[in-house]
Amino acid sequence: SQQGEEDPQALSIQEGENATMNCSYKTSINNLQWYRQNSGRGLVHLILIRSNEREKHSGRLRVTLDTSKKSSSLLITASRAADTASYFCATDLNQGGKLIFGQGTELSVKP
Amino acid sequence: DGGITQSPKYLFRKEGQNVTLSCEQNLNHDAMYWYRQDPGQGLRLIYYSQIVNDFQKGDIAEGYSVSREKKESFPLTVTSAQKNPTAFYLCASTATGPTGELFFGEGSRLTVL
Repeated sequence: SQQGEEDPQALSIQEGENATMNCSYKTSINNLQWYRQNSGRGLVHLILIRSNEREKHSGRLRVTLDTSKKSSSLLITASRAADTASYFCATDLNQGGKLIFGQGTELSVKP
Repeated sequence: DGGITQSPKYLFRKEGQNVTLSCEQNLNHDAMYWYRQDPGQGLRLIYYSQIVNDFQKGDIAEGYSVSREKKESFPLTVTSAQKNPTAFYLCASTATGPTGELFFGEGSRLTVL
């Protein structure tokens, strides 16, 4: 069963706009991670946020975590056409090495 | 260059045949993982291994088998018992324990004819 659910499933924006993707989960987590996947390729790790953290930044990426609402969001600021990809959240349930992935948000950035 | 190499990138199989997907890493990572990806369903965990000569079933292990005889290698066999094997298979590894970031290979796309 899938732990994380992402919203929206697809997002289309213009270059320069901000993109926000949300991830909700059901049980307590040790940490939450965000990954990016270009079509037909492997996933690339973007950022990890621990359960005792509320916000993290990495370049144009901003991730928030609200453990009371069991949700996280990924904000990409000033988007570029090269940001076009699928974005996945993954939760670590502290169950001996298992990361559970959401179904992903497909982001399209139009030039 | 350090990384994870999956092969083959594309594989076609007739029904009833077993196939083995290769995954090799030179990152000196202890833990390795196999995921399956179907359109619109995200990634699902098949098997994982945290140490040589040991591995655990994931959420969808039926019809698959693995081995971990060397730290660098974690091959996945898709057996004829797997009812719907056509999918994109991703191998990953991690260095910093079970909660660390995963490094992924480029995937293997298996099509059953």
